Amino acid sequence: GENVEQHPSTLSVQEGDSAVIKCTYSDSASNYFPWYKQELGKRPQLIIDIRSNVGEKKDQRIAVTLNKTAKHFSLHITETQPEDSAVYFCAAITSGNTPLVFGKGTRLSVIA
Amino acid sequence: DAGVTQSPTHLIKTRGQHVTLRCSPISGHKSVSWYQQVLGQGPQFIFQYYEKEERGRGNFPDRFSARQFPNYSSELNVNALLLGDSALYLCASSPRDLRSSYNSPLHFGNGTRLTVT
Repeated sequence: GENVEQHPSTLSVQEGDSAVIKCTYSDSASNYFPWYKQELGKRPQLIIDIRSNVGEKKDQRIAVTLNKTAKHFSLHITETQPEDSAVYFCAAITSGNTPLVFGKGTRLSVIA
Repeated sequence: DAGVTQSPTHLIKTRGQHVTLRCSPISGHKSVSWYQQVLGQGPQFIFQYYEKEERGRGNFPDRFSARQFPNYSSELNVNALLLGDSALYLCASSPRDLRSSYNSPLHFGNGTRLTVT
């Protein structure tokens, strides 16, 4: 089955700097890669996703890149703000009846 | 529009007891998945249901069971609770049609925090 590795496990950045979180996946058939943000005590919320037919997607300060050959994808947050502090999860899924598989998460701390 | 709703929000049980957790998906979503999230870890897949049929099961013991009702709501049951079952149980719904290769995002509920003592 699919296996998703996520790095780093913790990340601290100064307010205004950029943050990058990287994930690798094992199943070359995976075709959908969402990113979730989970604030303390709250549910995971989808912040951006990318499909395998696209190499990059951007939504304001957030962008995701996908390298299918290397089987890795990354989340980029620019101009970080204190409210970006949370745990971020990457995930991957193939088609059919397979479940969405999550990475172990990255705890991002934005220091004001 | 209401999101995914789960009940109860918190639950305290003792070892050996059983528990039933409930989930109502977003209106129109026929796919419901259950995940277990232990503190400091990513969500781990337990079950997936689509059109009232089990379509996937994660690496969890037979003490865990689930079902989906005609209105697409779902229940997760856990028997003979162990201390290690303490976790946040997340339900997620999706408009995804499992007959299609097109994937759709999961929308999570706020979860049920289960504590086993």
